[in-house]
Amino acid sequence: QVQLQESGPGLVKPSETLSLTCTVSGGSISSNYWSWIRQPPGKGLEWVGYVPYSGSTTYNPSLKSRVIISVDTSKNQFSLRLSSVTAADTAVYYCARLQTGTISYWGQGTLVTVSS
Amino acid sequence: QPVLTQSSSASASLGSSVKLTCTLSSGHSSYIIAWHQQQPGKAPRYLMKIEGNGSYNRGSGVPDRFSGSSSGADRYLTISNLQSEDEADYYCETWDSDTQVFGGGTSLTVL
Repeated sequence: QVQLQESGPGLVKPSETLSLTCTVSGGSISSNYWSWIRQPPGKGLEWVGYVPYSGSTTYNPSLKSRVIISVDTSKNQFSLRLSSVTAADTAVYYCARLQTGTISYWGQGTLVTVSS
Repeated sequence: QPVLTQSSSASASLGSSVKLTCTLSSGHSSYIIAWHQQQPGKAPRYLMKIEGNGSYNRGSGVPDRFSGSSSGADRYLTISNLQSEDEADYYCETWDSDTQVFGGGTSLTVL
């Protein structure tokens, strides 16, 4: 059974960079695609971007200028960096595994608050 | 890119059945979608994937009370013998070559 676990700071200051890591267990990251999704408090799900284990990433156009998603196959992890954050980036961030296009496994999620 | 439309809320009685709808935008009626359940305060959980021909594939551990079907651009999630733990938000999801798309979610209340 594949399991995903997000980790990273729960509080980030405005204008700084949000950094999260997703550790994959129970399976190899060297297959499938891997995605980040976020959910602002009380709102719906928003796709951030996805990455294949090797190859080019694809980002939500509304975030593209600020986002970098990368994979570290040696650690079975993938990461999210979101720069120049504002209060609007406050959300629960989920990592997920894609299988034939849609999500088949979700992480537990981690709340990131942007505040000074 | 595809757009997914869901009703914002639904309700049904304990022990009854409910059918939730996810509608694909024009030109995307053949797309495969996935359904996810999000119980209050929890992460979403993958329920199933539904193809345009109505065939569906439940995720590991998903009870057979959850079933899927399709008609044209509509993809349905039917929950039979409703339980209190089925009270949750339900999201549909699809993808295109360079994007992943979520519906707005349906909040299900079990009466």
